[in-house]
Amino acid sequence: GAVVSQHPSRVICKSGTSVKIECRSLDFQATTMFWYRQFPKQSLMLMATSNEGSKATYEQGVEKDKFLINHASLTLSTLTVTSAHPEDSSFYICSAREDSSGKNIQYFGAGTRLSVL
Amino acid sequence: AQKITQTQPGMFVQEKEAVTLDCTYDTSDQSYGLFWYKQPSSGEMIFLIYQGSYDEQNATEGRYSLNFQKARKSANLVISASQLGDSAMYFCAMRGKGTGRRALTFGSGTRLQVQP
Repeated sequence: GAVVSQHPSRVICKSGTSVKIECRSLDFQATTMFWYRQFPKQSLMLMATSNEGSKATYEQGVEKDKFLINHASLTLSTLTVTSAHPEDSSFYICSAREDSSGKNIQYFGAGTRLSVL
Repeated sequence: AQKITQTQPGMFVQEKEAVTLDCTYDTSDQSYGLFWYKQPSSGEMIFLIYQGSYDEQNATEGRYSLNFQKARKSANLVISASQLGDSAMYFCAMRGKGTGRRALTFGSGTRLQVQP
């Protein structure tokens, strides 16, 4: 299957700092990428849809000024958690949608575990 | 609204046996896609298998097959010849058409444990 790289895999930061997470599709171009959040022992919750060359679409309840998304190229989307607080501690995982096969399969990165102290 | 239901929080299976993980869905879309992903303890989401709503045959990928029953709105995953490495969380997901529905809607997951 297609490869999506996400890093860093783990971040520990102090409250008030900003953290940037990168998501790259390595062997295909992705006009659309997605950012999910997963709490312990729960399913994935969509945070936002990242569109190449345009603004991201955020899900209800997700603060766009808190979670900044940039999709500057067909292979890279970034999520920046601004002024992180302990309640932002979570597992963040991105996916990139493969469009060429017609199946629109989403391939996921390995996730980023964020711990805010 | 789209909804995915996985009614089995946990399942046990003996090594080398087959196991079926249940998934039912609800959607008003005529065209949709169904997916299964595996999430080991490391956290990565691994794509396993895809079934399109208009596909007449059940999808198969190696030891994985999808038992698609459209009238019942079910898309169960069958894993044959279970291996110890199959122990993980398994998520069923659906993608619809149209603005706002191209992202995946996930079920709550089933934790599979393969016993030696």
